[in-house]
Amino acid sequence: KQEVTQIPAALSVPEGENLVLNCSFTDSAIYNLQWFRQDPGKGLTSLLLIQSSQREQTSGRLNASLDKSSGRSTLYIAASQPGDSATYLCAVGPSNNNDMRFGAGTRLTVKP
Amino acid sequence: ETGVTQTPRHLVMGMTNKKSLKCEQHLGHNAMYWYKQSAKKPLELMFVYNFKEQTENNSVPSRFSPECPNSSHLFLHLHTLQPEDSALYLCASSQGLSENTEAFFGQGTRLTVV
Repeated sequence: KQEVTQIPAALSVPEGENLVLNCSFTDSAIYNLQWFRQDPGKGLTSLLLIQSSQREQTSGRLNASLDKSSGRSTLYIAASQPGDSATYLCAVGPSNNNDMRFGAGTRLTVKP
Repeated sequence: ETGVTQTPRHLVMGMTNKKSLKCEQHLGHNAMYWYKQSAKKPLELMFVYNFKEQTENNSVPSRFSPECPNSSHLFLHLHTLQPEDSALYLCASSQGLSENTEAFFGQGTRLTVV
């Protein structure tokens, strides 16, 4: 059974700092990995999708990497802003069914 | 706005009530999902529908009953719920199952069972 772990559970940084969020998974038989952002009490907003054949994806100040063999992904946020404060979730899409597995998330606070 | 709309946004119901959650997507996707998000726990997949057919049911109690009348609409019928069923219920949709499959979520329904 796929298990997804996100470290750290919470992170607080000053504005302008670059930061890295980590995601690890136990089963490398995946189609893709997706990073989401969730604001309190709201739904999930898709940030980046990395296909299993890809190593990284970039969108603006965000860069996500994927190392399938070691079961790891990182989300790099450059020049963080207070508006980046949210919970960041990674989800792994398995290659044999629709059961996308989520990590528990990293709660990020960027202080002005 | 993600293209997936959930109603209502908030719902308070008693344990003897019957209510329904609604999800609608106009993204042309053929797969729709219900997830449950409880406090301090990862999202849990409840049900998956692919082309209106249920393909996943993750041991969800029968007091939750899904319905998918067409590829654009998904319902979750609720009856005789328990207080521990209070959670954020999220609907998602995607186009098939492949490397390109990107899931889009609605804003969720915050359910409180009293």
